Amino acid sequence: DIQMTQSPSSLSASVGDRVTITCQASQDIKNYVNWYQQKPGKAPNILIYDASNLETGVPSRFSGSGSGTDFTFTISSLQPEDIATYYCQQYDDFPLTFGGGTKVEIK
Amino acid sequence: QVQLVQSGAEVRKPGASVKVSCKASGYTFIDYDINWIRQATGQGLEWVAWMNADTGNTDYAQKFQGRVTVTWDISISTAFLELRSLTSDDTAVYYCARPDDQVDSAKYWGQGTLVTVSS
Repeated sequence: DIQMTQSPSSLSASVGDRVTITCQASQDIKNYVNWYQQKPGKAPNILIYDASNLETGVPSRFSGSGSGTDFTFTISSLQPEDIATYYCQQYDDFPLTFGGGTKVEIK
Repeated sequence: QVQLVQSGAEVRKPGASVKVSCKASGYTFIDYDINWIRQATGQGLEWVAWMNADTGNTDYAQKFQGRVTVTWDISISTAFLELRSLTSDDTAVYYCARPDDQVDSAKYWGQGTLVTVSS
């Protein structure tokens, strides 16, 4: 199975701060990574697909980069509505696997 | 618009089985795969199973092999996840999810079905 190691597991930042989350895959997965946002009591919502493509309708402050084994998700200017847990996910091979999640809070 | 509507919450005793449904609308059911993903309370996301109603192919996470089955009824555009020999560790929200032409795995999600296993 491909392991997705996501860090940090939580972070606290101020409104307007730049926030960065990383995900490391246990093997080369090309660019086959999705990033999701999940708010309490809701299903996850796709933000980034193919590692760096912004899903339609998602604010441009969200971005993703990386290929191979190292991936980065960035919120360029944290907003109060961005409080959520974020997950990376690989789809290079079954079983699909997710990172452990990053809980983002406002300082 | 694409919708995945899941069945309601379930409570089961240890050792029992549960069957969760996922009714699709807004598209042709056999045109896209469906993944089943679960989330225990306060925990992360865990992939359970995959199905392709067009080819009839399925795949399951190794840890569930032998006690999970996905089925579907094309006539009612509905997918089913059955999990048997339930334990308290199976208490979780179960989601069905569908990709689209650009987003692999899970662009559209059902609302989730809470399965509680308790004696």
